Amino acid sequence: GAGVSQTPSNKVTEKGKYVELRCDPISGHTALYWYRQSLGQGPEFLIYFQGTGAADDSGLPNDRFFAVRPEGSVSTLKIQRTERGDSAVYLCASSLGSGPSYEQYFGPGTRLTVT
Amino acid sequence: AQTVTQSQPEMSVQEAETVTLSCTYDTSENNYYLFWYKQPPSRQMILVIRQEAYKQQNATENRFSVNFQKAAKSFSLKISDSQLGDTAMYFCAFMKHSGNTPLVFGKGTRLSVIA
Repeated sequence: GAGVSQTPSNKVTEKGKYVELRCDPISGHTALYWYRQSLGQGPEFLIYFQGTGAADDSGLPNDRFFAVRPEGSVSTLKIQRTERGDSAVYLCASSLGSGPSYEQYFGPGTRLTVT
Repeated sequence: AQTVTQSQPEMSVQEAETVTLSCTYDTSENNYYLFWYKQPPSRQMILVIRQEAYKQQNATENRFSVNFQKAAKSFSLKISDSQLGDTAMYFCAFMKHSGNTPLVFGKGTRLSVIA
């Protein structure tokens, strides 16, 4: 079956621009997570959705970052006024439910480069 | 807060040999889960194996097994009969047992399997 997909695969943008990164979770998965992976680091949590609502957004670094999941399926991570420090791979994961007994399935990520 | 430490940035192993990747963690929680994820160059994180802290028996998945030492807060991964396809980044991760909590990852170990 189809896995988690993310688009675009790569995105290059100029400092100060606005970007949107999209995540299509596995059908039927109610939980969706966004992580950011900087070069040479492990993924770091950004935000988690259960259904349509953001259950935990404590990992968002500042108010330039925002994410939505309006219909409980596709999610979009939005970054305003991008900075060079935002350059990273943004990973999305989905699971049937929340909690450690549900495996998180990851997408291939979007590599964001801010020039 | 939980932290996960992987002290080996890079490792290599001959094909068909056995290799052990180290991971230590710090937490005040008593119930939690530990995971090993594999990230090949395609960037897609794949769950290798997981361990529930309240289970004393070490988890095993085919050629992959763990050595879980709860008192020492250590969770190493052993790969037996290493194959070229095992070449990847390996991340150790932690998740609390209760509540909607995200995965906390270590910085990873780059494993190269040499023919």
